[in-house]
Amino acid sequence: DAGITQSPRHKVTETGTPVTLRCHQTENHRYMYWYRQDPGHGLRLIHYSYGVKDTDKGEVSDGYSVSRSKTEDFLLTLESATSSQTSVYFCAISEFSSYNEQFFGPGTRLTVL
Amino acid sequence: GENVEQHPSTLSVQEGDSAVIKCTYSDSASNYFPWYKQELGKGPQLIIDIRSNVGEKKDQRIAVTLNKTAKHFSLHITETQPEDSAVYFCAADGSSNTGKLIFGQGTTLQVKP
Repeated sequence: DAGITQSPRHKVTETGTPVTLRCHQTENHRYMYWYRQDPGHGLRLIHYSYGVKDTDKGEVSDGYSVSRSKTEDFLLTLESATSSQTSVYFCAISEFSSYNEQFFGPGTRLTVL
Repeated sequence: GENVEQHPSTLSVQEGDSAVIKCTYSDSASNYFPWYKQELGKGPQLIIDIRSNVGEKKDQRIAVTLNKTAKHFSLHITETQPEDSAVYFCAADGSSNTGKLIFGQGTTLQVKP
């Protein structure tokens, strides 16, 4: 298995509170991605990173921000959590951009009450 | 932007039978079409992929076919086994060169012993 960890694995929080999810990799891969998984929607890209301090938006980026200060860490922040952000969040990494396998982490289940 | 539709949403087969999952995509510039398998409580894992310059690819009991003219691709699993039971996702890379993937909604495959 690719060396990807996500923390926390489970979190329950209240509407309006800030939340930060962490993705940590030991593969030294350049590309990192944050997805959310919801029933009926598959996996939807929130943000991705193509290098340290280089990030861009995905298809569902509203309400989320990211930061990547080191190759191995990619943080996803919900500035003010809402119930619509209740989901399972997956981090993924890949060595190259095109035609390349993405390796997924184990996921974080977030519940916003 | 790219849109990927996946059918069926659920599929139940008897052990030993074949299973077929179909996807259509909208962006004719898409060039890369991976399939991921997700077991319960885990992150998705790549099982097979195909590039636009190839019409078919096979790996043991799994095969993928691509029809670029019709903009659809399919996953074929032969001689299904109970351990094939999982959620399967198709994806397409759209017209970007960033590694971003657009996923289908997922198919829950149940293989009955």
